[in-house]
Amino acid sequence: AQSVTQLGSHVSVSEGALVLLRCNYSSSVPPYLFWYVQYPNQGLQLLLKYTTGATLVKGINGFEAEFKKSETSFHLTKPSAHMSDAAEYFCAALKPSGSARQLTFGSGTQLTVLP
Amino acid sequence: ETGVTQSPTHLIKTRGQQVTLRCSSQSGHNTVSWYQQALGQGPQFIFQYYREEENGRGNFPPRFSGLQFPNYSSELNVNALELDDSALYLCATRTTSWEDTQYFGPGTRLTVL
Repeated sequence: AQSVTQLGSHVSVSEGALVLLRCNYSSSVPPYLFWYVQYPNQGLQLLLKYTTGATLVKGINGFEAEFKKSETSFHLTKPSAHMSDAAEYFCAALKPSGSARQLTFGSGTQLTVLP
Repeated sequence: ETGVTQSPTHLIKTRGQQVTLRCSSQSGHNTVSWYQQALGQGPQFIFQYYREEENGRGNFPPRFSGLQFPNYSSELNVNALELDDSALYLCATRTTSWEDTQYFGPGTRLTVL
């Protein structure tokens, strides 16, 4: 069984500062990994994903994440936070094969951006 | 905008009642998954339908059931509602059961009193 752990349920940064949201996975086989963002009272929007190939993945809104197999991590970063980045962020894992594959989510990290 | 729509947006029910939530998939998507997101938590997988057949289920009791129609729209039915069923219910669609990217709808907020 796979699991996803997000360290820090709440993260606060100043506008213009680096954003770092942490995600670690536990799985017998390295999964595909995703970051989703959720704004209040909305569904989930895909930020970026890692499946195979280049381990540094760039997504929308200036976010990127790096898959590190040795550390079983997939941390999300953005060089300079913007007020509009305030939202809840979810890391998720997906088994890399099979037809009935469901996403396993972490518990989320609420990002606050301070002026 | 993902093209995935859900109805209703909000719903209030009382314990013991039954509820039906609906999801219209993005054009060309034949696979739909349903997730329950309790307040302050990440989404939990309920079940998945591929071409009108359930082909995956999470740790939810049988009172959670579903349907997928020939046009690939879907329903989630919950019988004998409990207070703990209060949550945001999300559906997510994809082009095939093997596709890795899922596209989420805006969700239905269910409150059970």
